[in-house]
Amino acid sequence: GDSVTQMEGPVTLSEEAFLTINCTYTATGYPSLFWYVQYPGEGLQLLLKATKADDKGSNKGFEATYRKETTSFHLEKGSVQVSDSAVYFCALSEVQRGSQGNLIFGKGTKLSVKP
Amino acid sequence: NAGVTQTPKFQVLKTGQSMTLQCAQDMNHNSMYWYRQDPGMGLRLIYYSASEGTTDKGEVPNGYNVSRLNKREFSLRLESAAPSQTSVYFCASSATGGHTEAFFGQGTRLTVV
Repeated sequence: GDSVTQMEGPVTLSEEAFLTINCTYTATGYPSLFWYVQYPGEGLQLLLKATKADDKGSNKGFEATYRKETTSFHLEKGSVQVSDSAVYFCALSEVQRGSQGNLIFGKGTKLSVKP
Repeated sequence: NAGVTQTPKFQVLKTGQSMTLQCAQDMNHNSMYWYRQDPGMGLRLIYYSASEGTTDKGEVPNGYNVSRLNKREFSLRLESAAPSQTSVYFCASSATGGHTEAFFGQGTRLTVV
């Protein structure tokens, strides 16, 4: 079945450092890919998404490119801030016959940014 | 804008007790979901409802029941709580399944002792 694998954390960075969180996926067809973010004590919220190969999703300085050849959707940010401290989830959704394409999540990566 | 509202936010149950987690959305979404979040496990789908009047099992449905009361409301019931059900529960909704954005509630932290 479909699955998502993302790098394990926690990840600790200094403010203004470069961030990469790796995400790879397994799917039978052509899924949509997402990054969700969870701030402490809150639910998840969509950070960015890409719906087809070579699409780049971007939001709040974060970017991720849908790479079909490597089945990857790595999250990057050039300069992190303390306020970016959160748990980041990679997810996919694939609509198939008999399935409406529910979200499948990776296990999450906790990011801590120090001043 | 309320979005997705879950109640209660916290709950402690004794083993064998029952309870219902409530969820309501005000975005006129067709699809609603219940997830549980456990350390190191990410989010796992318990049940979902693709539209009013339908419900389906997700990855981890055992020990739970759901009711899609109307388009707005989707409740999760634990008939006989067990310590293994200690978790954080999230309700979510989306316009449809598939490629549309899911909106999450703030979660219910449930402890079963």
